[in-house]
Amino acid sequence: AQSVTQPDIHITVSEGASLELRCNYSYGATPYLFWYVQSPGQGLQLLLKYFSGDTLVQGIKGFEAEFKRSQSSFNLRKPSVHWSDAAEYFCAVGAGYSTLTFGKGTMLLVSP
Amino acid sequence: EAQVTQNPRYLITVTGKKLTVTCSQNMNHEYMSWYRQDPGLGLRQIYYSMNVEVTDKGDVPEGYKVSRKEKRNFPLILESPSPNQTSLYFCASRPPEDLYGYTFGSGTRLTVV
Repeated sequence: AQSVTQPDIHITVSEGASLELRCNYSYGATPYLFWYVQSPGQGLQLLLKYFSGDTLVQGIKGFEAEFKRSQSSFNLRKPSVHWSDAAEYFCAVGAGYSTLTFGKGTMLLVSP
Repeated sequence: EAQVTQNPRYLITVTGKKLTVTCSQNMNHEYMSWYRQDPGLGLRQIYYSMNVEVTDKGDVPEGYKVSRKEKRNFPLILESPSPNQTSLYFCASRPPEDLYGYTFGSGTRLTVV
């Protein structure tokens, strides 16, 4: 069965600093990979997705993620974090017939 | 505006009192799904529906029921709620041509005392 691991429960980053959120997946076939963001009191919003092709994927709000098959990873990055990026971030893998399996989430805190 | 609407947003209830959380989408999506979100556990799928009158269990279906009598609505029913069902619930839908193009509702925070 597929699984997603987000090793960091909380991460604190200074505003303007770079960000990398880690995600490792386990899936037997070629994975479909996703990053979602959840702002307080809101539903989930899709940041970016990887299906195939270029392993560096650009998303909304200045985020990008890189698929590394050899490391089973799909880490999310942003070069300069803004206070409005404070939220919870979920990595997910798509498997089977449109089933999404989510990681446990990483809470991003942005310090001034 | 294309959206998934859940009601209520917040609900406090007592153990054993039946309740229904409604979910409605205006995008004519065939596929709909319910998730629960718990701290440290992420989102886990409760039930999903691939079309009208077609529903199936997700990873954590115990204690829940669903129905799909119309394409737009997918209510989540708790026949006898228990405190371990205190959680944040999300409904989602997607179009048939985009297997992972989900639109999520804003969530329902349920507390069972």
